[in-house]
Amino acid sequence: GDSVTQMEGPVTLSEEAFLTINCTYTATGYPSLFWYVQYPGEGLQLLLKATKADDKGSNKGFEATYRKETTSFHLEKGSVQVSDSAVYFCARTSGGSYIPTFGRGTSLIVHP
Amino acid sequence: EAGVTQFPSHSVIEKGQTVTLRCDPISGHDNLYWYRRVMGKEIKFLLHFVKESKQDESGMPNNRFLAERTGGTYSTLKVQPAELEDSGVYFCASSQASGEVYEQFFGPGTRLTVL
Repeated sequence: GDSVTQMEGPVTLSEEAFLTINCTYTATGYPSLFWYVQYPGEGLQLLLKATKADDKGSNKGFEATYRKETTSFHLEKGSVQVSDSAVYFCARTSGGSYIPTFGRGTSLIVHP
Repeated sequence: EAGVTQFPSHSVIEKGQTVTLRCDPISGHDNLYWYRRVMGKEIKFLLHFVKESKQDESGMPNNRFLAERTGGTYSTLKVQPAELEDSGVYFCASSQASGEVYEQFFGPGTRLTVL
């Protein structure tokens, strides 16, 4: 079935370091791809999305490009801040369904 | 505008007991969803309400789980009797309408621990 695989965490970085969190998806249908973020004590928030191949989603300095040839949607940020510490979930929708299929989540810890 | 709220934030119960989780969606959101995340695993869809009707309950794990949304406002998810494998974080989300263009807004979750 449809699935999303993301790198295991925790990812631990120093402030201002470059961030990459890998995400790959099963190549069935024409999914839309999403990144959600969960800050401590809060619910998941949609961070960015891309709906077709080669689209780039971006928000709050984060970017991810929908790569159909590698079935990937890696999350990147050029310079992380302590406030970016959170759990990040990659997700996709299946053909015809708006219910997202989530990955396992990757915890990001940023030290000052 | 208030977001999605869930109660309680934490619940610790013994195997065989009953627990009821509550979700209050954003006012005016007809669509309400329940999800569950077992420790370290994916967030899994449980079910979807449109107003008071169950639109999709394909993710409900078994008949020990009962979800209701009387009056189309808040929703409850009851687990009876609870088993060890029911432990996890239960998320609720709501959206204005159903469809990919309508963002789902999530609550902070209820962490359920079954001992």
